Amino acid sequence: SQTIHQWPATLVQPVGSPLSLECTVEGTSNPNLYWYRQAAGRGLQLLFYSVGIGQISSEVPQNLSASRPQDRQFILSSKKLLLSDSGFYLCAWTGTGSTEAFFGQGTRLTVV
Amino acid sequence: DAKTTQPPSMDCAEGRAANLPCNHSTISGNEYVYWYRQIHSQGPQYIIHGLKNNETNEMASLIITEDRKSSTLILPHATLRDTAVYYCIVRYRDDMRFGAGTRLTVKP
Repeated sequence: SQTIHQWPATLVQPVGSPLSLECTVEGTSNPNLYWYRQAAGRGLQLLFYSVGIGQISSEVPQNLSASRPQDRQFILSSKKLLLSDSGFYLCAWTGTGSTEAFFGQGTRLTVV
Repeated sequence: DAKTTQPPSMDCAEGRAANLPCNHSTISGNEYVYWYRQIHSQGPQYIIHGLKNNETNEMASLIITEDRKSSTLILPHATLRDTAVYYCIVRYRDDMRFGAGTRLTVKP
């Protein structure tokens, strides 16, 4: 069966520090991969998605970047965190075609 | 931008049916309607999806209007554990954008 791993669950980082969040999927190949951010009490904002290795689409210009070095690995990064980067970050994957999405458990990032 | 509009909040009595509406007036012919829900501090959970026909599974029913411009998610017997934010999205292939959703509160 397919599973999605996302870590860490919580993270507290100082302003100006770098960030690296990792998401991996098991049990499937060539998934579509997504990164979302959710501010407190708000909906899910799509940040990046990828349909293949090295293919990244950015939805919102920001202080973050994404990379897909392997088929089932999706990484969200920042060189210098801002206070406004605080939030709940979610990774998700879907199969090819119109199938349902599966989400990780999320990372709660607090920038202090 | 999300292609759907939903009421920001709804209440439902425990044991009664919860009917959550969604408008998607600009839906195109190959886009599916998906519903997810998110319980506080967790990742969203898939509920159901459909293209044209009404669908039912063990969690819910999905009613799509004939013109496909709106849909309703029905939880037939809401429980306190159904309290969550419910998201309706329209999607074809890799485009997957969420709106603000509806916060459903099931009350005893």
